[in-house]
Amino acid sequence: KNQVEQSPQSLIILEGKNCTLQCNYTVSPFSNLRWYKQDTGRGPVSLTIMTFSENTKSNGRYTATLDADTKQSSLHITASQLSDSASYICVVSAQSGYSTLTFGKGTMLLVSP
Amino acid sequence: DGGITQSPKYLFRKEGQNVTLSCEQNLNHDAMYWYRQDPGQGLRLIYYSQIVNDFQKGDIAEGYSVSREKKESFPLTVTSAQKNPTAFYLCASSTLGNQPQHFGDGTRLSIL
Repeated sequence: KNQVEQSPQSLIILEGKNCTLQCNYTVSPFSNLRWYKQDTGRGPVSLTIMTFSENTKSNGRYTATLDADTKQSSLHITASQLSDSASYICVVSAQSGYSTLTFGKGTMLLVSP
Repeated sequence: DGGITQSPKYLFRKEGQNVTLSCEQNLNHDAMYWYRQDPGQGLRLIYYSQIVNDFQKGDIAEGYSVSREKKESFPLTVTSAQKNPTAFYLCASSTLGNQPQHFGDGTRLSIL
């Protein structure tokens, strides 16, 4: 069964600090991995998307890494801001098509002043 | 600006009542999706459509129905057969193929 596990479930950090969120998956055959940011009461917004051959991808202060051998990904947030407070969702796509996305439960990040 | 519009933002359903959630996109995307989000759970696929007048069931289609009469519109009806409809419903769209999905801002459905 395809699964995506995210850790930690929730995290509180001080403004200006860095943090790393983890995503482990067992989706096969793998196509790509996406990170989304979801503000409370809003829809998810795409941050990055990585295919099998990509090890790292950045989007401003967000940097995602992918280790396809160990089936792990991380999202690193640098110099956190209050607006980074949100749920971060890891989504893995199987090669069989766009209808076979597996969503993680998300990591709830709170950036405290 | 292109995007996905969901309405209403909040919706209340009485027992035995069907309700319809609206989803409109002006991104010219061929594929559209409906997801359900419950607290502490990942998004779950209800229905998806790749082309006008065609749609497929997702993982939790029971108690729901959809239509795709126009490319830009994909309404979801929550029927009285759905016994636990309270959730946050998200509509998304994408180009065909394995491309990132763009999401609307959701409709929160509650039971009166």
